[in-house]
Amino acid sequence: QVQLVQSGAELVKPGSSVKVSCRASGGTFVNYAINWVRQAPGQGLEWMGGIIPVSGAAHYGQTLQGRLTITADTSTNTAYLELSSLRSDDTAFYYCARSEVDEYTSGWFQSDLWGQGTLVTVSS
Amino acid sequence: DIQMTQSPSTLSASVGDRVTITCRASQGISTWVAWYQQKPGRAPNLLVYQASTLESGVPSRFSAGASGTDFTLTISNLQPDDFATYYCQHYYSFPYSFGQGTKLEIK
Repeated sequence: QVQLVQSGAELVKPGSSVKVSCRASGGTFVNYAINWVRQAPGQGLEWMGGIIPVSGAAHYGQTLQGRLTITADTSTNTAYLELSSLRSDDTAFYYCARSEVDEYTSGWFQSDLWGQGTLVTVSS
Repeated sequence: DIQMTQSPSTLSASVGDRVTITCRASQGISTWVAWYQQKPGRAPNLLVYQASTLESGVPSRFSAGASGTDFTLTISNLQPDDFATYYCQHYYSFPYSFGQGTKLEIK
């Protein structure tokens, strides 16, 4: 049974960067994209962006473009989110989520499998 | 970018009730909509995809539909386990986005 296993909680200083990982345990990324979604404390879900690991094709949301980099390593079935120039309002749970990719259109479908979440706290 | 406007933000109901949550898309998105349930401290869980198809294992008291740019999630015969927060999401074009969420509370 495939699981998405994320790296542990991070406490980072304002202005620094953080890198969160998401590993597919018991499976691979073939035919899937990995999305990144964040949730600030007590707030809703924000789609940040995602990547098709096999091709490296990535898409980003507008609000974080320029600070966000999403990558993947197919040899280890691991996707990464790196967020730079961190601010206090970046404090949130960060989730990875898997979406099947349409082989004809390259469109991404619904997210049927989620990681457990990684809490990133930005504080001096 | 496509916006998903979800209502209500909070819903109070009793066990056994029937409730409906609505999302309106800012433009046509066909039926590329999913619904998720989230409980405190947990990751979201997929309930519905392609606007009206229940994910495997989701109880049949959940139903969903679409009319134009309006999308609905209905829960019949509410059970204690259903009290949670619900989100819609479109996956029509990038960037994908979520509705603001609906917190379903026990009355």
